[in-house]
Amino acid sequence: SSELTQDPAVSVALGQTVRITCQGDSLRSYYASWYQQKPGQAPVLVLYGKNNRPSGIPDRFSGSSSGNTASLTITGAQAEDEGEFYCNSRDSSGNHLVFGGGTKLTVL
Amino acid sequence: QVQLQQWGAGLLKPSETLSLTCAVYGGSFSGYYWTWIRQPPGKGLEWIGEIYDSGSTNYNPSHHYNPSLKSRVTISVDTSKNQFSLKLSSVTAADTGVFYCARRPVVVTAIRPLDYFDYWGQGTLVTVSS
Repeated sequence: SSELTQDPAVSVALGQTVRITCQGDSLRSYYASWYQQKPGQAPVLVLYGKNNRPSGIPDRFSGSSSGNTASLTITGAQAEDEGEFYCNSRDSSGNHLVFGGGTKLTVL
Repeated sequence: QVQLQQWGAGLLKPSETLSLTCAVYGGSFSGYYWTWIRQPPGKGLEWIGEIYDSGSTNYNPSHHYNPSLKSRVTISVDTSKNQFSLKLSSVTAADTGVFYCARRPVVVTAIRPLDYFDYWGQGTLVTVSS
């Protein structure tokens, strides 16, 4: 089992706001990064650090953190936002990296 | 533009050694963690391990490995070719999946480390079957 816990699936109506969460004790000390993966493709970095978006990632993607939970929020979800989202951070030792189990996002 | 291009054998028999290589084009090779990540069919991502090469001849590259795979994993680097490699020994069917190489910048902030994988390879499907 992963040290980072994600809900297996989340759905959102087109144009609405959705929050995807990642829980783990290590998140009290380390930032999470977030990746979107579409079927048959490599993951793509969408968010990292406190709230940093790589070039080319729409500003509807934002991040936050509180206690042991990191969140990825999509404000005004679009059809192309469907996919699997993974969080990543360090494990409780701080020496290794670990992924959450992933959240499948469906845009209705 | 940074590109990671990976290759290696896609079909192995149980007990054989998986061997993959990732070439880095564009950007600097030194000063980054070069990482391997895998994904079993229909499942999530798993960090395998990484290697850091400072570019200094005074220091050997440093490694970090997933504790659950550490006894079977070796990650090495060839700075002359801007390549890094993964070897996973004694494979079983449970090692079947897509393997990705990725780059992790070294960013130390005043508050806490900043870890993320900004560039990924295209992925290599490795199947272990007798």
